[in-house]
Formats: sequence, C-alpha cells, structure tokens
Amino acid sequence: GAGVSQSPSNKVTEKGKDVELRCDPISGHTALYWYRQRLGQGLEFLIYFQGNSAPDKSGLPSDRFSAERTGESVSTLTIQRTQQEDSAVYLCASSHWALNDEQYFGPGTRLTVT
Amino acid sequence: DQQVKQNSPSLSVQEGRISILNCDYTNSMFDYFLWYKKYPAEGPTFLISISSIKDKNEDGRFTVFLNKSAKHLSLHIVPSQPGDSAVYFCAASAAYNQGGKLIFGQGTELSVKP
Repeated sequence: GAGVSQSPSNKVTEKGKDVELRCDPISGHTALYWYRQRLGQGLEFLIYFQGNSAPDKSGLPSDRFSAERTGESVSTLTIQRTQQEDSAVYLCASSHWALNDEQYFGPGTRLTVT
Repeated sequence: DQQVKQNSPSLSVQEGRISILNCDYTNSMFDYFLWYKKYPAEGPTFLISISSIKDKNEDGRFTVFLNKSAKHLSLHIVPSQPGDSAVYFCAASAAYNQGGKLIFGQGTELSVKP
C-alpha cells in the first residue's frame, strides 16, 4: 500500500513568511510524528499525535511552530514568521498505536528560508 | 543536551568485512533502541531494534548489541555490501514514560567499498 507522503517536497521561502507543510500518514496508523533534520545533524523530535489524546508538543522549538491533525488522517505543520535557522528537512512518520511499533517515515520536505 | 550520541560521523569498510557502528546514550529511562538507515533524499527506514530486557538481537546480516551498564549499543553488519552504504541513525525511546517519540543520534555515514 501507499507509504507516508509529504508535500511539498521542496519549499523556498523568504524570511518572515509563514509556511505550511503537509503529511499524509499510512491509512490506519493512529500515531503521527514530526521531526526535523538540520544539515549535518540527527533527527530532532518536534511533536507527536496519538489518536484523540492531547498531542505531545514538547519538541516544538518556539511558539512560531504549531501542528494540527484531523482525526487519524492528514497533519499540517505550520511555521510562522520563518527564520533562517528554520531551514531543515521536515520529516513526518506514522505508526500503529502500539508502544515501540515501527515508525514509517515520509521522504521529507526540504525547507529553505532565504 | 545530546541524549543519544554517535561519535563517528563516518566509517569506511571493505566489501565482505564487518561494519561496526556505535552509539552511546545518557538517559537511563530509555527502554527501547532502534537503528534506522537513510539514503539521500529519502526518509529513514527501520532496520532493527532491541528492547532493554535483551542484550542482543539478530536479523540476517544485522545484529544489534546492547550494554546497559555502559549505556552503549552497536550495530554489526556482516558481511558488508556496497548497497549498505547509507547514513545510519541510532534512536532510543522511553516508551512507557514518553510514548513513541524517538531521540536520534547524529548519524554515521557508512561507505562500503567494492
């Protein structure tokens, strides 16, 4: 079946503009995660949704970052007033709801803030 | 505060030989460890995992070893193949306290030469 998809694949934006990144998880996966990878770094956890529970937002770096998820489907990550340090690859992953279940990653959105 | 560390940014190995990738962690609450493999312009893909109740898990050419007292894990690939060339990320979770979010190391780029 289809894997995790993300759009756009690349986004170039000017400093100060808002951007919205989209993630379509694997159908039936109740857990959804956002990570980001800056150049030369590991993946950094941002936010985690599990069913109807309150999301774990502990990784969001500032209040300019927010994310929403509609039910158990699409999620959008919004970055307001983008800064150059927001430039990174933003990765989405989904999994079945089971502790330690494998997370399946999308290809990522490469965000460049000029 | 880097809770998961991969101190070798790169490793070069001859085809057919063993590749050993290392990972150290600091958080004693971590109870599940994973290795992911990443090719350029793709999302990470799950490779192998180990629970903290075990010290070894094997899957074909891949074996993960966990030394809890040293807070160290390693991934052995034998025999190494050119197709194994990729960036390998170690990840950990404290699932029973923090849900499924993963804490990643910085990655080690493995190059397997024919």
